[in-house]
Amino acid sequence: QPVLTQSSSASASLGSSVKLTCTLSSGHSSYIIAWHQQQPGKAPRYLMKLEGSGSYNKGSGVPDRFSGSSSGADRYLTISNLQSEDEADYYCETWDSNAQWVFGGGTKLTVL
Amino acid sequence: EVQLVESGGGLVKPGGSLRLSCAASGFTFSSYSMNWVRQAPGKGLEWVSSISSSSSYIYYADSVKGRFTISRDNAKNSLYLQMNSLRAEDTAVYYCARVVVVPAARNMDVWGKGTTVTVSS
Repeated sequence: QPVLTQSSSASASLGSSVKLTCTLSSGHSSYIIAWHQQQPGKAPRYLMKLEGSGSYNKGSGVPDRFSGSSSGADRYLTISNLQSEDEADYYCETWDSNAQWVFGGGTKLTVL
Repeated sequence: EVQLVESGGGLVKPGGSLRLSCAASGFTFSSYSMNWVRQAPGKGLEWVSSISSSSSYIYYADSVKGRFTISRDNAKNSLYLQMNSLRAEDTAVYYCARVVVVPAARNMDVWGKGTTVTVSS
């Protein structure tokens, strides 16, 4: 079963860019993941599906400021021109053929 | 508008039971697998259970296996989670989520707002 590793926290200034990382465990580097955003007190929101090739598909209404990329076992979520509403927890998620779903521990993003 | 609305949460004593519901609208419910995901207070997301579009395939996390039962009624566009033998550690917000299935992968792409379950004496 894959394990997804995320930094517990990140911070960046208003208007700048930030790159969040989700790392797949050994033997699972080709897995497709999804990124989800959870603003304080709200339900998660789907952002995008991200493949190992770096190709990504965003959900409806997700701003252009959000993009994805990949390198080996690492899956990245880049947020450009940071806004105050981007302050949230970000989770990566994947599915294993043993029919188990896995979430990363989440990254708490603070916009300074 | 694609929408998922959970209901049925509440306060229950340890060992008790609760049935959660998730009403789907704005999409062809019968074409999608569905998940339940929970989030304990101050913690991250935890997958609980999955059900395929026709209920042929059902899976559970080890933490709830034997205690929880997932089901669906495609005629009513509804998803359910029967929770028995509840424990304090089942206290969480429970979300239903739609699943997108592609070859060799799947992910959740729509979430409900959640319903809160509190297990306490």
